[in-house]
This record gives sequence, C-alpha cells and structure tokens, in this order.
Amino acid sequence: GQNIDQPTEMTATEGAIVQINCTYQTSGFNGLFWYQQHAGEAPTFLSYNVLDGLEEKGRFSSFLSRSKGYSYLLLKELQMKDSASYLCALPIGGYNKLIFGAGTRLAVHP
Amino acid sequence: DAGVTQSPTHLIKTRGQQVTLRCSPISGHKSVSWYQQVLGQGPQFIFQYYEKEERGRGNFPDRFSARQFPNYSSELNVNALLLGDSALYLCASSLGDHSSGNTIYFGEGSWLTVV
Repeated sequence: GQNIDQPTEMTATEGAIVQINCTYQTSGFNGLFWYQQHAGEAPTFLSYNVLDGLEEKGRFSSFLSRSKGYSYLLLKELQMKDSASYLCALPIGGYNKLIFGAGTRLAVHP
Repeated sequence: DAGVTQSPTHLIKTRGQQVTLRCSPISGHKSVSWYQQVLGQGPQFIFQYYEKEERGRGNFPDRFSARQFPNYSSELNVNALLLGDSALYLCASSLGDHSSGNTIYFGEGSWLTVV
C-alpha cells in the first residue's frame, strides 16, 4: 500500500523561507507531485519529481530522495498569497490515479 | 485554451436523491479522473477513465458510477445520496494514460452539499 505524511499546519513570515516536508511509503515509485490549493479552489500543479535531487522553479523548489522516501517543497521570499494548503501526491499504478497526503496548511503572516 | 471545466459549481441535494456532475477535459487530453475532497483532507481517488474505458476505481461504494463520452468529457453519478457525500468533487485530466511524466490538471470542482 501507500502512505504519505505531511505536517498539518505551518506558519511563516512574509519574506522568509519555509520548507514543507513529505515522507512516503510506496511499493512502486512513479514520481511525486506537489500541488498548491487555496481555500475553496482546485489544486494547481507545482512540481513533479522522479529523480533524486533539487529542482528549482522561481521561488519554489522541490527536492526528492527516493532512498529515504522523502521530499520537500521549499518556498522562498514568501508572499501573503502563498497562504494555502500544499499537497504531496504519489501516482499509483501508472495511470491517472494520485494518492494524496492530507496536505499542509501554510499561513503567511506580515 | 480552456482548462478543465466542471459543472455545476455548487449544488444542494437532499438525502436519497441522485446527482450528476460533468467534466470537460483540456482539449487533447484523453484521460479523466474524479476525486472527492472532504474539508480538511486531501483529495481521494474515485475513478479514472482513458479512451472511454474505466482504468481505475477507488474505494467507493457502488452508488458512485461514471462514464466517459467519445469527446472525452465525463460524468460522475452518485445515487442515494448520504450526508457524508457532501464534499468538493474534482475532475482531473491528463494527456496520456500514464501519470509518470504527464502533468495532471484539476478543474475548479463541484461543491455538493447534501442536506
């Protein structure tokens, strides 16, 4: 089976850096997705990692360690609009099926 | 280009009723999947369709059914609604039938309230 763990809530200050961790267990690894979801809205794609290492996209970076079953999302120069839930997800079975973690609610304060 | 579109955006139903939710994938996308998201939780996989065939089913009762049409749009039907079916129902589309490397895009969702 699959299991995904993320912290439930995090707070950070505008302009700071925050790291959101995700640990997982899965029988077959097909990569890992990160999505952002603002309250009442649909999840929006942030990143997809399938190889170990850090991938940077502007203010957002995502890291993967397959041997440790670990990923993190790094958000730099935090803005108020970054207040949202961040979802870690594993594709399962090769098809369009994602198993999501419960999500991490990030609150950015002035 | 339009993204994933869903309708209706909000609806209220009574226990025992039936509901149909609709989804149009991004143009050119042949894979559609449905998710249920209860407040405070991550989305839960319900169904996936590719080329009009069911390719995956989550742990949901038989009251939940879906289909995909020749134009790749999809419907999700829920019969005998329960209060616990109140949730945001998300439709997602992707280009191919393998999620590895294929970005999965979500629609805005349909908010269902069962009273």
